[in-house]
Amino acid sequence: EPEVTQTPSHQVTQMGQEVILRCVPISNHLYFYWYRQILGQKVEFLVSFYNNEISEKSEIFDDQFSVERPDGSNFTLKIRSTKLEDSAMYFCASSYTGNYYGYTFGSGTRLTVV
Amino acid sequence: GENVEQHPSTLSVQEGDSAVIKCTYSDSASNYFPWYKQELGKGPQLIIDIRSNVGEKKDQRIAVTLNKTAKHFSLHITETQPEDSAVYFCAAPRSGNTPLVFGKGTRLSVIA
Repeated sequence: EPEVTQTPSHQVTQMGQEVILRCVPISNHLYFYWYRQILGQKVEFLVSFYNNEISEKSEIFDDQFSVERPDGSNFTLKIRSTKLEDSAMYFCASSYTGNYYGYTFGSGTRLTVV
Repeated sequence: GENVEQHPSTLSVQEGDSAVIKCTYSDSASNYFPWYKQELGKGPQLIIDIRSNVGEKKDQRIAVTLNKTAKHFSLHITETQPEDSAVYFCAAPRSGNTPLVFGKGTRLSVIA
């Protein structure tokens, strides 16, 4: 069964450093998403991406965050200057038609900012 | 925007019993309601979904019911097994084809 692949599985970084989280969505999917989950809390929407541009973003997705699809397969989330409160699990998801068939999530990247 | 409330936050059942998790949503234009299961250390996995043109959908031991008038939908798991133990999330789009908003999750423990 096709999977969404995320790397790395765990990233530790110092406060103020830049991090890039990587995702390889399912190959024929057209919609891409980043969500985050602070430990023990709900899954929160960050940003959606379609047709090579951001289609929607939440209030969490401020100027410190950016997304990119640098080639035909990768989808990245960059945090420019990490803060302690950015520590969370970050999940990438993809979908073929948006909501009609649901999202497939990756296994996540655990980001720890120290 | 959409607000999704989920209850209960934790649920313990004996193996073989049924489990029911309920969610309410606020946007009457929402038309798609998935349920996700998250096991420890993994991402959420879609287990069942329902669209607003039907009231119930069943897949083996799992069923989802939707009441559009009351704006709530429920997950029903029958004959629970220890491997059903996980965190379950409901979700709904803000509206139409917009990104999903998730509930806070229900930690289900099935006791053997």
